[in-house]
Amino acid sequence: GAVVSQHPSWVICKSGTSVKIECRSLDFQATTMFWYRQFPKQSLMLMATSNEGSKATYEQGVEKDKFLINHASLTLSTLTVTSAHPEDSSFYICSAPAGQGRSPLHFGNGTRLTVT
Amino acid sequence: QKEVEQNSGPLSVPEGAIASLNCTYSDRGSQSFFWYRQYSGKSPELIMSIYSNGDKEDGRFTAQLNKASQYVSLLIRDSQPSDSATYLCAVNRGRSGGYNKLIFGAGTRLAVHP
Repeated sequence: GAVVSQHPSWVICKSGTSVKIECRSLDFQATTMFWYRQFPKQSLMLMATSNEGSKATYEQGVEKDKFLINHASLTLSTLTVTSAHPEDSSFYICSAPAGQGRSPLHFGNGTRLTVT
Repeated sequence: QKEVEQNSGPLSVPEGAIASLNCTYSDRGSQSFFWYRQYSGKSPELIMSIYSNGDKEDGRFTAQLNKASQYVSLLIRDSQPSDSATYLCAVNRGRSGGYNKLIFGAGTRLAVHP
């Protein structure tokens, strides 16, 4: 089945630093990937759509200059949290559709970010 | 109005019983509906997908969709303690999101007790 690999699985960083999270589709190509964020006891909130070869599209209220997304190839999207602050501490999850049309999303294992 | 609404629970059922999880959505243009299961600290895993009105069965799981009522449900038969998790309803954003941009409900926490 479709596998989405996300790295790192957890990271602790100091306030003001930047953190990069990678998302790879291992056995399929993904022209589109989606980045979600989940705070404790809350649901997944869509942050942005990562588009291969073009700019990402961000959901309302998500700062594009703070959450940099790069989709450099058909199998890799990265999310960089710039100048991280404690309120950015969350569970970040990437996902990709495994096929064309109405395919379900397959999720990476998530990255637990803690900003101290 | 939230785009996707679920009762947060917890829904507590005895082992062997049927668990019924419900979800309503606001976008009439939505065409794809999914149920995901999420264990604490883990990412969601796909349980069921449904695209047409009616019932769809897969093992102990049955998804039901009623587009006229904008309602989708998940039934879990013969519930097991291992089914205890949060169940997330996800709906594609029909107007502008294409097939794959999914919006999630807040999730219903299911607890199956022995």
